[in-house]
Amino acid sequence: RKEVEQDPGPFNVPEGATVAFNCTYSNSASQSFFWYRQDCRKEPKLLMSVYSSGNEDGRFTAQLNRASQYISLLIRDSKLSDSATYLCVVSETTDSWGKLQFGAGTQVVVTP
Amino acid sequence: DGGITQSPKYLFRKEGQNVTLSCEQNLNHDAMYWYRQDPGQGLRLIYYSQIVNDFQKGDIAEGYSVSREKKESFPLTVTSAQKNPTAFYLCASSRGGPTEAFFGQGTRLTVV
Repeated sequence: RKEVEQDPGPFNVPEGATVAFNCTYSNSASQSFFWYRQDCRKEPKLLMSVYSSGNEDGRFTAQLNRASQYISLLIRDSKLSDSATYLCVVSETTDSWGKLQFGAGTQVVVTP
Repeated sequence: DGGITQSPKYLFRKEGQNVTLSCEQNLNHDAMYWYRQDPGQGLRLIYYSQIVNDFQKGDIAEGYSVSREKKESFPLTVTSAQKNPTAFYLCASSRGGPTEAFFGQGTRLTVV
């Protein structure tokens, strides 16, 4: 079983619609959680950290459910520029070392 | 501007040759990482380093070597022992612990 699992998609979303997807993680001791965005043939870029209380950044909302061991990302009012692959990243801490585990990504395609 | 720089952006290697990918950061980060990404795949950890003169194998270290002689630099050598080296290589750095990582723009290596 992979340590971080994501639905690969693609999620085809009409412009202006809302899309949401989850990421599950296997290590209950995981400490920190992040969403990254990766455009085709580019490096991943940090989209947002995910806090226990949930957090929002403009049109993006991230949630953490520790009991069920998943995080979610919701994108409201989708823009064409939101088309990308979204990577779920989980940090496992051992002896203060945060080893980042990456999911394979969820592809989102926003259509006009 | 602080950041992380990888060079070259594109690299072609003949079979049987060793090649070294450069990664430099001026973010004063303690931790540095090398990942490999294959088309349609997630990121796989090759090596990571928490501190100067120390590094650890990741999930796919065979056929690769690294050094960490300076805090700012973490070069990766792809040796002839790596059977399928064609991939997108990403270097990242972080403050260490359960914190987010920042990526360089990547090196696309092709074996010819």
